[in-house]
Amino acid sequence: KAGVTQTPRYLIKTRGQQVTLSCSPISGHRSVSWYQQTPGQGLQFLFEYFSETQRNKGNFPGRFSGRQFSNSRSEMNVSTLELGDSALYLCASSPSTLRRDYGYTFGSGTRLTVV
Amino acid sequence: GENVEQHPSTLSVQEGDSAVIKCTYSDSASNYFPWYKQELGKRPQLIIDIRSNVGEKKDQRIAVTLNKTAKHFSLHITETQPEDSAVYFCAALLFGAGSYQLTFGKGTKLSVIP
Repeated sequence: KAGVTQTPRYLIKTRGQQVTLSCSPISGHRSVSWYQQTPGQGLQFLFEYFSETQRNKGNFPGRFSGRQFSNSRSEMNVSTLELGDSALYLCASSPSTLRRDYGYTFGSGTRLTVV
Repeated sequence: GENVEQHPSTLSVQEGDSAVIKCTYSDSASNYFPWYKQELGKRPQLIIDIRSNVGEKKDQRIAVTLNKTAKHFSLHITETQPEDSAVYFCAALLFGAGSYQLTFGKGTKLSVIP
């Protein structure tokens, strides 16, 4: 079955612009989590969505937002881009039940460069 | 919230030797501990995981041990091969306020020298 699909793979934006990234989870997976990966900070949790609801949010400013659609596809948006937002943005999908102890499957990520 | 510490940050071993990566976590409510391998330019991939009701799990050359009392878990790779070279991340699943969050360590860059 198809894996986790993230689009686009690469983006170059200018400071102050906004950007929208997309993630399509594995078919049947209802949970989508977003992570920011940078060389010095590893994988930092942004937020997690389940059934169109944000269930958990990491310590990122309000410029970072997201949503999930009824087909479980998710988008994240970053407004007023800063140079420090340059990173690899990964999404991960999970089957997710009440006991969400299943391994997450990651997409290939979107490499965002802010200039 | 949960905090996961991972050591060492870099590790070099000779081909055929063993490699051990250690992680500690802060929240005793965590009950699921996966390990991911990320090769250069690729996505993190799950290589092994362990649940809190198990002390050890093995899959061929890879094993993970968990000490819930001490709140630490370790990845063991035996008979290392050059293709084991990658960045390895440990993670802990935190339960909180009705939702779950997978928190990652900062990673260990493993280099296997032929």
